[in-house]
Amino acid sequence: SAVISQKPSRDICQRGTSLTIQCQVDSQVTMMFWYRQQPGQSLTLIATANQGSEATYESGFVIDKFPISRPNLTFSTLTVSNMSPEDSSIYLCSVDSGQGYGYTFGSGTRLTVV
Amino acid sequence: GQQLNQSPQSMFIQEGEDVSMNCTSSSIFNTWLWYKQDPGEGPVLLIALYKAGELTSNGRLTAQFGITRKDSFLNISASIPSDVGIYFCAGQSWNTGNQFYFGTGTSLTVIP
Repeated sequence: SAVISQKPSRDICQRGTSLTIQCQVDSQVTMMFWYRQQPGQSLTLIATANQGSEATYESGFVIDKFPISRPNLTFSTLTVSNMSPEDSSIYLCSVDSGQGYGYTFGSGTRLTVV
Repeated sequence: GQQLNQSPQSMFIQEGEDVSMNCTSSSIFNTWLWYKQDPGEGPVLLIALYKAGELTSNGRLTAQFGITRKDSFLNISASIPSDVGIYFCAGQSWNTGNQFYFGTGTSLTVIP
C-alpha cells in the first residue's frame, strides 16, 4: 500500500491565523482525501482533491475556510484559514491504495488553536 | 453525510478475553473496512471486506461482511495489551461516489 508523509505532525496556532498542512505520497494517486477528526470523534470527510481540477467539498465545508491545492499526483495541501478554537482537531490525508488495501492514512496533524 | 452506528462505544476487558464489536448502517454498502487508531497516529487498515457474507481473518482478528450488507462485525481473540486503541469501521457504497463513511468508534482497553 501507499506510504504517506504528512506534516506538520502537530502545531499550536493563534486564532485568526492560517496553517497549511502538507501531504506527500510515495506513488501517484488520482484522488487524495482530507479528513477532520474532532476530539473524541470519528472521521469526517472535508474534501476530495483531484489533480488538475478544483477540490470537491462535503456539506459543511467551504473552499474559503479550507482551501486545497493538488499540484501533482503525489502531493496535496490543506489550509485551515482564519482559525478559531473550534478548528482544534486532527487533520488527516488519505489515499485509495486499491482493492485489498482500502484507504491509507497519514499520521495526521494535531492542531490546537488558542 | 451518513454515519455508521458502532457498538459498543467502549470496552474494558481482561487480557486473554475475546472481543466483539459491530457496525450497522441504514444503507447498503459494497465495501466494509476495519481500522485501528493508536493515540497520536492515523488509522491503520486491519481488514477489508468486499462481498456479502465474506469472513476474513488477519491473525487474531476476524471480520465479517453481513449478509444484509448493512452491517459488519469484528472479533479479536485472546486480547493482548497492544490491542488497546480505537477501532473504526468504514463503509463505502457505489451510490455515494465511492466515499467512505466512518463509524463512531469503539475504544478498547485491555487490562493486563
